[in-house]
Amino acid sequence: AAGVIQSPRHLIKEKRETATLKCYPIPRHDTVYWYQQGPGQDPQFLISFYEKMQSDKGSIPDRFSAQQFSDYHSELNMSSLELGDSALYFCASSLSERERTDTQYFGPGTRLTVL
Amino acid sequence: AQTVTQSQPEMSVQEAETVTLSCTYDTSESDYYLFWYKQPPSRQMILVIRQEAYKQQNATENRFSVNFQKAAKSFSLKISDSQLGDAAMYFCAYSLGANSKLTFGKGITLSVRP
Repeated sequence: AAGVIQSPRHLIKEKRETATLKCYPIPRHDTVYWYQQGPGQDPQFLISFYEKMQSDKGSIPDRFSAQQFSDYHSELNMSSLELGDSALYFCASSLSERERTDTQYFGPGTRLTVL
Repeated sequence: AQTVTQSQPEMSVQEAETVTLSCTYDTSESDYYLFWYKQPPSRQMILVIRQEAYKQQNATENRFSVNFQKAAKSFSLKISDSQLGDAAMYFCAYSLGANSKLTFGKGITLSVRP
């Protein structure tokens, strides 16, 4: 079965640079979520999209922005990178139905290192 | 706000034995969903099991089962016949419903002794 695809898998950037992370959800899934997992931490919710509209926002810095495109893939744009942005970034997707939620399936993650 | 608590940072189990991982949560909602995710050294997040709060029957997936106590807001995971491949970080997570984020506990590291 097809899974969530994330690219790139690894990314190394310098401070103050910009990074773009991409996520391709499972086919027919209409909801995408982004999470950030720091070393030794639990994943923290950043932002989500349902049918290409932002549906929820968590502790996402103003330096970060995201969107979901017409083909349902999503991109997380991160500017003015800081050392503290070094983390594993997960994308998850789900097929949401009215008054219930389907399970979130996670991609393999993008490991971002900021030097 | 909803919170998820995993008070045990580490546990160890002998291969082929049974182990129970604990999780408690706090919510004022009556309808919600609970999950256990496994994160092996590869860091992939893998769904282990899911429980709908409106269902009284505890979920089971092969060697994995849960003990869901809604009144006590407790959601423990039992792993039977533990295998070396079960060694991983296990996260308990909570979700409110459609299009809702997951709120995770701090996780527990499970090691399996051969």
